Amino acid sequence: SQKIEQNSEALNIQEGKTATLTCNYTNYSPAYLQWYRQDPGRGPVFLLLIRENEKEKRKERLKVTFDTTLKQSLFHITASQPADSATYLCALGGSYIPTFGRGTSLIVHP
Amino acid sequence: EAQVTQNPRYLITVTGKKLTVTCSQNMNHEYMSWYRQDPGLGLRQIYYSMNVEVTDKGDVPEGYKVSRKEKRNFPLILESPSPNQTSLYFCASSVDTATTNEKLFFGSGTQLSVL
Repeated sequence: SQKIEQNSEALNIQEGKTATLTCNYTNYSPAYLQWYRQDPGRGPVFLLLIRENEKEKRKERLKVTFDTTLKQSLFHITASQPADSATYLCALGGSYIPTFGRGTSLIVHP
Repeated sequence: EAQVTQNPRYLITVTGKKLTVTCSQNMNHEYMSWYRQDPGLGLRQIYYSMNVEVTDKGDVPEGYKVSRKEKRNFPLILESPSPNQTSLYFCASSVDTATTNEKLFFGSGTQLSVL
């Protein structure tokens, strides 16, 4: 069956460190992968999109990698800040409707 | 300001009392969708619409109805709500999903409690 896996355990890190979140998938062949940020009780907000033919994408302190062989995307936040604390969702898409992972909670401690 | 507007933000109702959650977008998007989000289960798609008068079931459509009579509006209807429909609901839209891998814009959410 198709599955998108994000670590259900919260990731706790110290301010200034790099946070790395993982999105693994099985039985999908996505044309692209997206990352969203969600704050408690609020709607997800789009952050980055990476296509299947791209290895890496950057935006300010954010970096996303996409390895279609490993079926994995890594999401990095460098120089993390307490304001980065949120839940981060990955979503796979292509010729079908985007499907979301369950998200990983990131907590950045001052 | 480009946005997806959902109403109401909070709703408490009783079993069996029909309700409608409204969703409107001002970006002329073709694609609209409804999700519910429950702890530990993530975002699950209820219904989606590729364009006016075109709707399709998502992963969890039972107990819900939608309509898309105009491009900007996509209401979610619960004809006879039950307690298992207590959840946080999100409406989302995008330009389209056919080819351009467009990002989704989400509304602020509707927290529904069915007693």
